[in-house]
Amino acid sequence: NAGVTQTPKFRVLKTGQSMTLLCAQDMNHEYMYWYRQDPGMGLRLIHYSVGEGTTAKGEVPDGYNVSRLKKQNFLLGLESAAPSQTSVYFCASSQTTSGGPGDTQYFGPGTRLTVL
Amino acid sequence: GQQLNQSPQSMFIQEGEDVSMNCTSSSIFNTWLWYKQDPGEGPVLLIALYKAGELTSNGRLTAQFGITRKDSFLNISASIPSDVGIYFCAGIRGSRLTFGEGTQLTVNP
Repeated sequence: NAGVTQTPKFRVLKTGQSMTLLCAQDMNHEYMYWYRQDPGMGLRLIHYSVGEGTTAKGEVPDGYNVSRLKKQNFLLGLESAAPSQTSVYFCASSQTTSGGPGDTQYFGPGTRLTVL
Repeated sequence: GQQLNQSPQSMFIQEGEDVSMNCTSSSIFNTWLWYKQDPGEGPVLLIALYKAGELTSNGRLTAQFGITRKDSFLNISASIPSDVGIYFCAGIRGSRLTFGEGTQLTVNP
């Protein structure tokens, strides 16, 4: 099993450009998440999905959109990138959120995005 | 929103010393997790705690789920250089995972 994979690993954008980050998991997990990590602020939840075809807003959703067309994939889109979106983006997945071992979230290696 | 206060923010220790870090919150969590993150990598799960009062060990690591469900601690015994990294606590409530701000651990040989 590859676990959680993310593409690309690095990207540099100009302000106003758009891009899509791809997350894939091969663990048949129901739940998937997108986080951003900034220095001194830990990880903050952007959007999440509780199953194929569903998405929900997290703590910092503005400026991002997501889609979960297939159970194994969770896409994060930036329609018009801004310098404030320079960050490291992590995808994660879990089987459940009902309490117990299935709640554990497994993380991808991250995508480092710079917006100039 | 829910917040986790993690302390200390950083630690500089000598190889062989024991380490202790903790997280507290004003909110109750159903699950506590401890992750370690190496530079350029995603967080990797170290220990998961599912019941209030639970004490769990993983090698040299020991973590406890506070009896009030509002706190957790992580101890590392006999630290080694490869323990260097950022340690995050995380609490789960419903569908949300809330992270602490991390403890940067430096181990001097």
